[in-house]
Amino acid sequence: GAVVSQHPSWVICKSGTSVKIECRSLDFQATTMFWYRQFPKQSLMLMATSNEGSKATYEQGVEKDKFLINHASLTLSTLTVTSAHPEDSSFYICSARPYKGLNTEAFFGQGTRLTVV
Amino acid sequence: GESVGLHLPTLSVQEGDNSIINCAYSNSASDYFIWYKQESGKGPQFIIDIRSNMDKRQGQRVTVLLNKTVKHLSLQIAATQPGDSAVYFCAENVGAGKSTFGDGTTLTVKP
Repeated sequence: GAVVSQHPSWVICKSGTSVKIECRSLDFQATTMFWYRQFPKQSLMLMATSNEGSKATYEQGVEKDKFLINHASLTLSTLTVTSAHPEDSSFYICSARPYKGLNTEAFFGQGTRLTVV
Repeated sequence: GESVGLHLPTLSVQEGDNSIINCAYSNSASDYFIWYKQESGKGPQFIIDIRSNMDKRQGQRVTVLLNKTVKHLSLQIAATQPGDSAVYFCAENVGAGKSTFGDGTTLTVKP
């Protein structure tokens, strides 16, 4: 089956530093990946669409300069949280669709728990 | 704006009983819906999907019902097991492959 892997699973960083989260599609190529953020006991909120070889598309209210997305290959997208602050502490999850067509199921990574102290 | 929401935040059932989780959506143009299961500390896991040209779809122990007239979606789990305990989200595709998630229902299965 399709596998999406994230790294790291959890990270603790100091306020003001930057953190990079990787999202890899292990057994398929993904021209598009999606990044979500989830606060405790809340739903997933789409942050941005990562497009291979072009700029990411950000949802309204998401700061593109703070959440840098790079999709340099067909199997890897990265999300960098720049100048992290405690309010950025959250569960970050990526997803990708292995099958052709927009109306197909997405597979999610295991998530990255970011804690900013 | 468009939204997908769930009627009940929590559901507690006895092991072996059937579970029904409901979801309301507001975008009448949505043509694809998915149910996901999320266990604590993990990413969502695909359960079942349904396209708008269908009103029912069955999987292994799960059934999704779609009522486009009232914009309602439900997930039925037969013979609920302790391993089914998780948060369940409905999601709808809102274009360009993006999914909007509902609030989530926490299912607790009592042994």
